Amino acid sequence: QKEVEQDPGPLSVPEGAIVSLNCTYSNSAFQYFMWYRQYSRKGPELLMYTYSSGNKEDGRFTAQVDKSSKYISLFIRDSQPSDSATYLCAMRTGANNLFFGTGTRLTVIP
Amino acid sequence: EAGVTQFPSHSVIEKGQTVTLRCDPISGHDNLYWYRRVMGKEIKFLLHFVKESKQDESGMPNNRFLAERTGGTYSTLKVQPAELEDSGVYFCASSQEHHNEQFFGPGTRLTVL
Repeated sequence: QKEVEQDPGPLSVPEGAIVSLNCTYSNSAFQYFMWYRQYSRKGPELLMYTYSSGNKEDGRFTAQVDKSSKYISLFIRDSQPSDSATYLCAMRTGANNLFFGTGTRLTVIP
Repeated sequence: EAGVTQFPSHSVIEKGQTVTLRCDPISGHDNLYWYRRVMGKEIKFLLHFVKESKQDESGMPNNRFLAERTGGTYSTLKVQPAELEDSGVYFCASSQEHHNEQFFGPGTRLTVL
């Protein structure tokens, strides 16, 4: 069983739609949860960072963590064509190495 | 501020050959990480340096892989001899001491034929 599960998509939405991306995990020791965005031929870029359970909002992006269900989500409001990318969830325990999901490829259609 | 840089961006070698990948972290970042993404799979951790010391190398797949960080600045990852299953994208990341965010480089795409 993988430590982190993520639906690879692809996911296509019209411009302006609300996008919901999700990951589940099996290791209850994970404490730090991240969402990265990766454009083609580029490295992952940190979008959102959350410690433990709860919500965090940054502009059009909202990250949610539910540790009781081992489930994390990223919501993108008013999606734009520039949001088209692969979105990776990542998490870690107190140690520094990250555990990634496989990524969800998102396309926002103008 | 310059980001994490990696060289080369793409390498194509034959099975049995040797390849050396290089990573230059962000200046002042003591923590340096190597990750690898094999096609169709998730990005996986390989190892972590703090300055020139290997803090965690639990993700290194086998002894054909050798990572070094002499002087605590740039790092190299050597694969010798390369096998077909080593093909993938190798990412380097760096972070400040006690800082949570890892900044990733663009990756080196390795193809072993």
